[in-house]
Amino acid sequence: DAGVIQSPRHEVTEMGQEVTLRCKPISGHNSLFWYRQTMMRGLELLIYFNNNVPIDDSGMPEDRFSAKMPNASFSTLKIQPSEPRDSAVYFCASSHPQGLAESDTQYFGPGTRLTVL
Amino acid sequence: DQQVKQNSPSLSVQEGRISILNCDYTNSMFDYFLWYKKYPAEGPTFLISISSIKDKNEDGRFTVFLNKSAKHLSLHIVPSQPGDSAVYFCAASAGANNLFFGTGTRLTVIP
Repeated sequence: DAGVIQSPRHEVTEMGQEVTLRCKPISGHNSLFWYRQTMMRGLELLIYFNNNVPIDDSGMPEDRFSAKMPNASFSTLKIQPSEPRDSAVYFCASSHPQGLAESDTQYFGPGTRLTVL
Repeated sequence: DQQVKQNSPSLSVQEGRISILNCDYTNSMFDYFLWYKKYPAEGPTFLISISSIKDKNEDGRFTVFLNKSAKHLSLHIVPSQPGDSAVYFCAASAGANNLFFGTGTRLTVIP
């Protein structure tokens, strides 16, 4: 399996622009997570989906952030408008369906490093 | 507020010696704990886990210890190798899918 795929790997944009990050989870995984990593707060969960349905978006910092999962193999995280404080590494992760022994183990993509100037 | 805390941002150890990484948590509902390892420019990768019904889990050079009464877990790496140099994240789960992560500890193994 190719693992979790994220694109782009790097994104540099100017303040006020829209940014869209993309994620393809591991085939057969039905839970998908978006995280943000910063020096001060480490890995923060932004939102997660089960079976394409958003379950907990309490970590989404503001209305400028939105996430969608139109099907089991694709998710997007959008920031509009972007601000310099959004600069961070954004990770996508996926996990097995609940009920399996490994259901709590999440597998991470390589991340997208976002820089907002 | 951070429910999972790694109070040591960095640790340096000589090659061949033991590395001990510590993690504390506040939520008594956590019942599954994991350690992830992260190299630069890569995503975190799963290393080892432990269920709350156990107090120790071993996998090769890596052992995780859980002290539920103290709400503390630790990761022991012995012997430490230069390739172990990475950032280590502790994570915990309360039965749902979502994990709560610590802020990470950067381990440097000196040859």
